[in-house]
Amino acid sequence: DIQMTQSPSSVSASVGDRVTITCRASQNINNFLSWYQQKPGRAPKLLIHSASSLQNGVPAGFFGSGSGTDFTLTITNLQPEDFGTYFCQQTYSISQTFGQGTRVEI
Amino acid sequence: QVQMVQSGAEMKKPGASVKVSCKASGYSFNDNFVNWVRQAPGQGLEWLGRIDPKSGGTNYAQRFQGRVTMTRDTPTSTIYMELNSLRLDDAAVYFCARSGSHDGLDYWGQGALVTVSS
Repeated sequence: DIQMTQSPSSVSASVGDRVTITCRASQNINNFLSWYQQKPGRAPKLLIHSASSLQNGVPAGFFGSGSGTDFTLTITNLQPEDFGTYFCQQTYSISQTFGQGTRVEI
Repeated sequence: QVQMVQSGAEMKKPGASVKVSCKASGYSFNDNFVNWVRQAPGQGLEWLGRIDPKSGGTNYAQRFQGRVTMTRDTPTSTIYMELNSLRLDDAAVYFCARSGSHDGLDYWGQGALVTVSS
């Protein structure tokens, strides 16, 4: 299976800050990379698909970039509602895999 | 609007089987794969597999091959995931999620808690 490694595992930031989360794939996945936000007790929410495309209905302020093996999710102007855990996921392989998650604390 | 509504919580003994359902609505059932993802308490997300509702064809994660079965009932737009030979470490919330038109899983069920305890 393709391994997805996220960093950092957690980050504490203030309202208005810029937060960057990285995700590295163990092999080339082109741009088959999605990002999700999950809040406690809730299902994950798709934020970014195809590495850099904002999912419909997701507020501006979330940016995805990268291709190949290295990817980044940037949250600009952090808001209180942005707390939660963020996961990356590769869908390049039929056997999809997720990163271990990054907890964002406000 | 698109909705994925799952069945309720289950409590099972080790060695038993569990079958979780996921009823899709608000879109054309045959148009999108449906995936199953689980999350153990306090842990990350793990993909179990997916089904093509149109053909019934499935892809399973290797570690669940032989233990998981995904099926669909087209008249009711319902997807089923059955996991056999349950172990204590199968205790988790099981989510169904629709594959988006482009990439990623765009609509998720609310999750079904499966507890495994002797």
